[in-house]
Amino acid sequence: SAVISQKPSRDICQRGTSLTIQCQVDSQVTMMFWYRQQPGQSLTLIATANQGSEATYESGFVIDKFPISRPNLTFSTLTVSNMSPEDSSIYLCSAGGSTEAFFGQGTRLTVV
Amino acid sequence: AQRVTQPEKLLSVFKGAPVELKCNYSYSGSPELFWYVQYSRQRLQLLLRHISRESIKGFTADLNKGETSFHLKKPFAQEEDSAMYYCASAGGTSYGKLTFGQGTILTVHP
Repeated sequence: SAVISQKPSRDICQRGTSLTIQCQVDSQVTMMFWYRQQPGQSLTLIATANQGSEATYESGFVIDKFPISRPNLTFSTLTVSNMSPEDSSIYLCSAGGSTEAFFGQGTRLTVV
Repeated sequence: AQRVTQPEKLLSVFKGAPVELKCNYSYSGSPELFWYVQYSRQRLQLLLRHISRESIKGFTADLNKGETSFHLKKPFAQEEDSAMYYCASAGGTSYGKLTFGQGTILTVHP
């Protein structure tokens, strides 16, 4: 299994600013992912964080808005750039294990 | 593209009653299907996966390819089963790349 720590757990940000969310895994994992959960909605995959190369983004998500870093096999960051109130969501980090996915506790972002 | 549908956003039952959370999927290949659960103030965690055909906390789920369904069932619900339940499919090479259903909030009343 893998234990995932995310920080911050929550934040309130001004529109137009950026927030970087950190995700730390307690063991080396090949695959890391970032999800978004908008209010009242399900989880939607933003991107796959690839170690040593650019992230792979899902349809509707772009690198300029959600830049992702993955410097090693235990750490990743997601930045939400130039925020607007529509970016208010829970952002979740995930690591893919051999038989299941493990999730962080999430970052609750409110943009005002 | 994969799609997972959970038609019920809310489901309420009384303790001891049977419960069934519905999940339908659309996927062109062989799906890997899961049920994830999120208890109050806890992180999302795996409940069970179809490939292992196991029973966890009294819950079972059978993959029905004919009906493209993966419904979650428990014969006697307990109050501690109250949680948000997500059906999810993994279509890629990693179990972390998931397509989630909309989720069902299960409330078990005493």
